[in-house]
Amino acid sequence: KAGVTQTPRYLIKTRGQQVTLSCSPISGHRSVSWYQQTPGQGLQFLFEYFSETQRNKGNFPGRFSGRQFSNSRSEMNVSTLELGDSALYLCASSLELRQGKLETQYFGPGTRLLVL
Amino acid sequence: AQKITQTQPGMFVQEKEAVTLDCTYDTSDQSYGLFWYKQPSSGEMIFLIYQGSYDEQNATEGRYSLNFQKARKSANLVISASQLGDSAMYFCAMKNYGQNFVFGPGTRLSVLP
Repeated sequence: KAGVTQTPRYLIKTRGQQVTLSCSPISGHRSVSWYQQTPGQGLQFLFEYFSETQRNKGNFPGRFSGRQFSNSRSEMNVSTLELGDSALYLCASSLELRQGKLETQYFGPGTRLLVL
Repeated sequence: AQKITQTQPGMFVQEKEAVTLDCTYDTSDQSYGLFWYKQPSSGEMIFLIYQGSYDEQNATEGRYSLNFQKARKSANLVISASQLGDSAMYFCAMKNYGQNFVFGPGTRLSVLP
């Protein structure tokens, strides 16, 4: 079974631009979460989607948004990029046959975003 | 609020020796899960081991074992017979029902030849 895939793997943007990152979960997984990882702040939770609905949201400005499609694939968008948005963005999926059930999250390889 | 503490920013271990990475957590919930992930320099987070709060036995997965002490709210990862490929960042994480994962700051493990 294929793992979590993320595209693109690397991205360079300039301040003020917007970016869309994509995540395809493991087949059958219904929950998708996004994280931002920086050397200074560690791993920070962005948001979680389950069955196309945002279930949890982290403490990030409204420039960060996401969505999930009916096939569980997810995208996150960052508008008006700032230098501080440079980070590794990780997507993770979990099976969650029953909503809320504790399940292991499996991560994708991440997208490295550099904002110049 | 849930919180994970990893007090060891960096650890060194000699190849073939065992090493313990510390993790303590804070939650008022009775039901939760504890996880350990490994992150090599490539960036991908690799799931290592899981312990449920109601599991009576400590979890083991190959060379990895989780020393779970519920009363002390600790979930230390033990790696036996360290290998050079074990050099990486290690993250402890917790999940409560209906809530998102919470990760600790990580411990950087360096295995010396």
